[in-house]
Order: sequence, then structure tokens, then C-alpha cells
Amino acid sequence: NAGVTQTPKFQVLKTGQSMTLQCAQDMNHNSMYWYRQDPGMGLRLIYYSASEGTTDKGEVPNGYNVSRLNKREFSLRLESAAPSQTSVYFCASSEGWTSGRGRETQYFGPGTRLLVL
Amino acid sequence: AQSVAQPEDQVNVAEGNPLTVKCTYSVSGNPYLFWYVQYPNRGLQFLLKYITGDNLVKGSYGFEAEFNKSQTSFHLKKPSALVSDSALYFCAVSPYTGGFKTIFGAGTRLFVKA
Repeated sequence: NAGVTQTPKFQVLKTGQSMTLQCAQDMNHNSMYWYRQDPGMGLRLIYYSASEGTTDKGEVPNGYNVSRLNKREFSLRLESAAPSQTSVYFCASSEGWTSGRGRETQYFGPGTRLLVL
Repeated sequence: AQSVAQPEDQVNVAEGNPLTVKCTYSVSGNPYLFWYVQYPNRGLQFLLKYITGDNLVKGSYGFEAEFNKSQTSFHLKKPSALVSDSALYFCAVSPYTGGFKTIFGAGTRLFVKA
């Protein structure tokens, strides 16, 4: 049981390049999330997927797109990277079954460090 | 606007002493409250959460948190700190009407000195 896995662990991009961050969970969770972590700002939600087949914007969606490929996988795409997108990106998942749907404990992956030059 | 505040960037405590990491929030309704811990180069790990009921919540690794509705606070505590507790701690709030949009504080770095 690997939990939440993310690839790659580290990436360097040039301004304008594109890339996709991959995330997978093996806990049969319905809900998945993408966050970015910047110093002194905590985690900010980029996009989330309440359940397979749905995606919604979070607090900072500009410059990103997501795909919920299936129940296990949720990818984050940067179409044209900018230096402001230099950050650590975390994927998370939660059960999504309970009456507190969306307010459950989240399980996080190890993160992807992205540097945009 | 809904927000979570962790007023201390860093907390320093000697091993064996009690520790407190502070959190206050400004959210309407009855939110769910969480504490997560992040060790270097790792993702966040769940410590504990408050939904309803007893104001003192016990969690992993001997941590507990006290919910105070009148002060809108949810401070993290531990009676006796360990060097291994040194990490970055995040308070998080899921608003009652906020759906999936959990709000995280900026984090407090805990440093426990031997």
C-alpha cells in the first residue's frame, strides 16, 4: 500500500515549457487535490476532483489544468510555465464517502519540487 | 474573508518541556479543524482533527489540541517535547459550507533542543 505517489520528484523548466505532474493513490479514495506550497503561505488549493469525472477550481487555478484520468490518477498540467510557478506541488486524496465529504482527513504525496527559470 | 492564522513562525522549546503551537481561525459556522505535520522533504501527515464534542482532541505521537469556540482557537499541545518532534506544523480549517476548500495556515516551525 503505497498511499499517494507523485512523479517526478524534482523538475527544472524554462519559461514557456510545458509539463505534467502525475499523481496516483491506491486507497480507493474518491476525492483528490492539487496544492502548491510557497514559503510563508501554507498550502493553497489549485484544483480538486470531488469524484471521478469531476474537477473544480481551487484558490489559485490560473496557469494550470487538471485531468482526473480515472479513480486512481489525477494529473496537473502547466501549459506554459512561468517563474511564478516555481513551488513545491503536493497531491492529496480523501475518502469522499462520508457525510463530511470534502472535509475529511487528507493524505498527501511526497511532493514535486518545480523550478522555472 | 475566511482565514487561518498561525501567529508564530517558529517555536523553540527544550526537550522534556511542554509545547504549544497556536492557531486561530476566522470561519463562519462550525468548521472541521485539523493539524498536520511536515517533516523535511516529505508530504504533510495527519495528526488530529476536531469535528464536534469534547474540546480536547488527542492525536498521534502524544499530541493533543484544545478547541476554544469563544476564542476561535485550536492550539496544538504536547506535555513533553521530543527532539524528533522538530518539524513544520500546519493548522487547517474546512468550513462548513466550504465544500472541498480546506484553508491552511502558513505553518509554524517547531524546534526542540536537546
